[in-house]
Amino acid sequence: EPEVTQTPSHQVTQMGQEVILRCVPISNHLYFYWYRQILGQKVEFLVSFYNNEISEKSEIFDDQFSVERPDGSNFTLKIRSTKLEDSAMYFCASRQGTGGSYEQYFGPGTRLTVT
Amino acid sequence: AQSVSQHNHHVILSEAASLELGCNYSYGGTVNLFWYVQYPGQHLQLLLKYFSGDPLVKGIKGFEAEFIKSKFSFNLRKPSVQWSDTAEYFCAVNAGSNYQLIWGAGTKLIIKP
Repeated sequence: EPEVTQTPSHQVTQMGQEVILRCVPISNHLYFYWYRQILGQKVEFLVSFYNNEISEKSEIFDDQFSVERPDGSNFTLKIRSTKLEDSAMYFCASRQGTGGSYEQYFGPGTRLTVT
Repeated sequence: AQSVSQHNHHVILSEAASLELGCNYSYGGTVNLFWYVQYPGQHLQLLLKYFSGDPLVKGIKGFEAEFIKSKFSFNLRKPSVQWSDTAEYFCAVNAGSNYQLIWGAGTKLIIKP
């Protein structure tokens, strides 16, 4: 069964460094999402991406964040200058988007630790 | 703003007990509703979903949920839980033009063998 994959599973970085979190969505899916979950808190929507552009973003997704689909398979989330409060589990999801399918399929997550 | 409330943050049950986890949402438009489960050390998996039609939906592993529109609720049920149901359960609502998910805080369920 096709699945969403994410790398790395765990990333440790120092405050102020740039990180890139990678996701490979399911191949025939058209909509892509990033969510994050700070330890002990709710899962929060960050951004949605469709047709090679951001379709919606939350207040969390400020200028420090960017997303890209550089090669038609990968979907990346970049945090330009990490802060301690960026420490969280980051989940990528994809959705087919055709035939009325609203279901999102999630990757296993990347645990980002900012020290 | 849309929101999802899960009433119980921690639930502890014995095996074979019945389970009901509450979920209420706040959104005026058409919604799609989901329950996701996260087993220890694993990623989020879809348990069940409601898009339209019969408000009683059945999911995997014997779970079911009932959509009650008048109460803005989508409670998760299982008649007899097993130790392997120990996990965190999340209620979520599709909202917005891009169908992003709005999440509840999650309920940690512990089943005592």
